[in-house]
Amino acid sequence: AQKVTQAQTEISVVEKEDVTLDCVYETRDTTYYLFWYKQPPSGELVFLIRRNSFDEQNEISGRYSWNFQKSTSSFNFTITASQVVDSAVYFCALSEARRGSYIPTFGRGTSLIVHP
Amino acid sequence: KAGVTQTPRYLIKTRGQQVTLSCSPISGHRSVSWYQQTPGQGLQFLFEYFSETQRNKGNFPGRFSGRQFSNSRSEMNVSTLELGDSALYLCASSHGQGDFYGYTFGSGTRLTVV
Repeated sequence: AQKVTQAQTEISVVEKEDVTLDCVYETRDTTYYLFWYKQPPSGELVFLIRRNSFDEQNEISGRYSWNFQKSTSSFNFTITASQVVDSAVYFCALSEARRGSYIPTFGRGTSLIVHP
Repeated sequence: KAGVTQTPRYLIKTRGQQVTLSCSPISGHRSVSWYQQTPGQGLQFLFEYFSETQRNKGNFPGRFSGRQFSNSRSEMNVSTLELGDSALYLCASSHGQGDFYGYTFGSGTRLTVV
């Protein structure tokens, strides 16, 4: 069973539109971490946000906001007033404890294309 | 503070050969993990090293191996290369203990097997 589901394979928007990237996860652990990463064409995964399972507060960082809802096992990411530079592949990841470590399991990613 | 450094950035190898990839973590980080990224399978966990010991392992064949040195630098080796091993290999580092703040990734090594 897929632990992290990003149902949207590709999203195409026009600049200044708002866009929400969906992420649904599955875990039996009570302690876990959720992440969003951005992967531009250069290939490096850029950290965007970390949330632990005990912190359901939503977060806003500039044009980025995240909505964490344990009741629906979702951790959605919204970009407000999208820009061409936001074009990238975005990955949601779930980290569960495993032998003293928290190994991230990634979703398949959502490719966001922002047209000028 | 230097980031995670992976070398080389690009590599072309022939089927049957072996290859070694290198990863230098952020200073002070003791955990290094490796991921394989392909269009078909996405990002898949290979293994994690912490204090020179393999702490976790993904579901990859024995042709994929790694090691970590006392300075936390890590190498990954793939023997008897197959066409399907063509991928972006990403390395990530973290403190490896205490509060978990996530992984910092390198830019990756793009391996092409011909």
